[in-house]
Amino acid sequence: KAGVTQTPRYLIKTRGQQVTLSCSPISGHRSVSWYQQTPGQGLQFLFEYFSETQRNKGNFPGRFSGRQFSNSRSEMNVSTLELGDSALYLCASSSVVQGGAEAFFGQGTRLTVV
Amino acid sequence: GENVEQHPSTLSVQEGDSAVIKCTYSDSASNYFPWYKQELGKRPQLIIDIRSNVGEKKDQRIAVTLNKTAKHFSLHITETQPEDSAVYFCAASRMGGSYIPTFGRGTSLIVHP
Repeated sequence: KAGVTQTPRYLIKTRGQQVTLSCSPISGHRSVSWYQQTPGQGLQFLFEYFSETQRNKGNFPGRFSGRQFSNSRSEMNVSTLELGDSALYLCASSSVVQGGAEAFFGQGTRLTVV
Repeated sequence: GENVEQHPSTLSVQEGDSAVIKCTYSDSASNYFPWYKQELGKRPQLIIDIRSNVGEKKDQRIAVTLNKTAKHFSLHITETQPEDSAVYFCAASRMGGSYIPTFGRGTSLIVHP
């Protein structure tokens, strides 16, 4: 069974640009969550999608948005990039509707904003 | 919402020693507590979890304890080995519904050979 796949693995963007990251969950998983990981800040929750609907949202500005497609693949978009957006972006998928299910993480996309 | 505090942020031990990482949570309704290990350059992976109906769970050299009254839970690693070196994250969540785990800030464990 293939794991969670994130593309691209690395990105370098300039301030003010926008970026789109992609996440393909494990087959059969309908919940996809996105996290921002920076040194010292741990895993900051961005949002979660389930059946193409945003079900939960963290405390990030509106520049961060996402969507989920009918095949459960998810994309995350960041507009008007800032230097502080440089981070590792992780997505995680899980199999069940209810909380308490293991989250399987992708390898992440390392975004550098210059 | 839920708030999870994790300590220490860095833990350095000698090979063979024990390591303990502690977390506290704020939402008394949380009842599921997973622990993730993230090795350098790799993805976080679940290593053990505990539900609020038990106070302790063991898996070989790792164990997790939960004190619901005090709202804290801990990860214990015995006989540490260099390959235990990683960042460990605790999290708190609820069974049922659409709850997302809230993660602690992580503990960087360094095991010196």
